[in-house]
Amino acid sequence: EIVLTQSPGTLSLSPGERATLSCRASQSVTSSYLAWYQQKPGQAPRLLIYGASSRATGIPDRFSGSGSGTDFTLTISRLEPEDFAVYYCQQYGSSFTFGPGTKVDIK
Amino acid sequence: EVQLVESGGGLVQPGGSLRLSCAASGFTFSSYWMSWVRQAPGKGLEWVANIKQDGSEKYYVDSVKGRFTISRDNAKNSLYLQMNSLRAEDTAVYYCARGPGGSWYVLYWGQGALVTVSS
Repeated sequence: EIVLTQSPGTLSLSPGERATLSCRASQSVTSSYLAWYQQKPGQAPRLLIYGASSRATGIPDRFSGSGSGTDFTLTISRLEPEDFAVYYCQQYGSSFTFGPGTKVDIK
Repeated sequence: EVQLVESGGGLVQPGGSLRLSCAASGFTFSSYWMSWVRQAPGKGLEWVANIKQDGSEKYYVDSVKGRFTISRDNAKNSLYLQMNSLRAEDTAVYYCARGPGGSWYVLYWGQGALVTVSS
C-alpha cells in the first residue's frame, strides 16, 4: 500500500500570501495519478487538481499542482479568505489512499 | 446536475448492522464505477470500497473485508453499503462518490451519512 505523508500539518498564513503544501508518497505514484481536494467544515471534499497538475472545472488558477514520482506540491499563489480549509492529497495509481491533510488557517 | 444523496445512517451498537443507500441522479448511473469513502470525526479521508459498473468487480480496504458489502441496483440508480459486525472504529461520515469515468479520483461527492457505533 502506498502511504502518503503531508506537510506541514498546519500552515498559518495571512490572506494574500502564498501557500505551498507538500505530499510525499512511500513509493512512486503511477503515471502521476495524484489528486488534491479542499474540505471546509461540515462539507464534503471538493476536487481541485487531478493528474498531479490538471485543474478541475471551475477551480481558480491561483491553485496549481506539480510534481511526479514521490513528491508532489499544491501551491495557492495568493490566499483568498475562502481558501482557509483542510487540503488532502490522494493517490489513485495503486488502489486508493489519502494523505492525512494539511490545515491552512488564518494567521 | 449530478446528485448523490446518502441515507440510512444512524446509531448502532457494536456488533450490529446497518445498510447505507445512495440515490444517484443527473447521469447514467450504470456507466460508472462507484465508491464509498469515509471520514472519522476530526480525522482524514479513507477509501472504503468500490464497485464496477455491472457489479462484477468489487474492492475493499483491508479493515472492512469480510464485514462490509458494496452493491448496486442500476435499475434504481442506487448504490448500497451493507455493514455488519460494526466496530467503534467504523464511526464516520460515509460519502458516496463517483469519478470522472476512466480514472479514479473523486469528481462528485454526496453530502455524507453519519454512522455512529456505540453502546
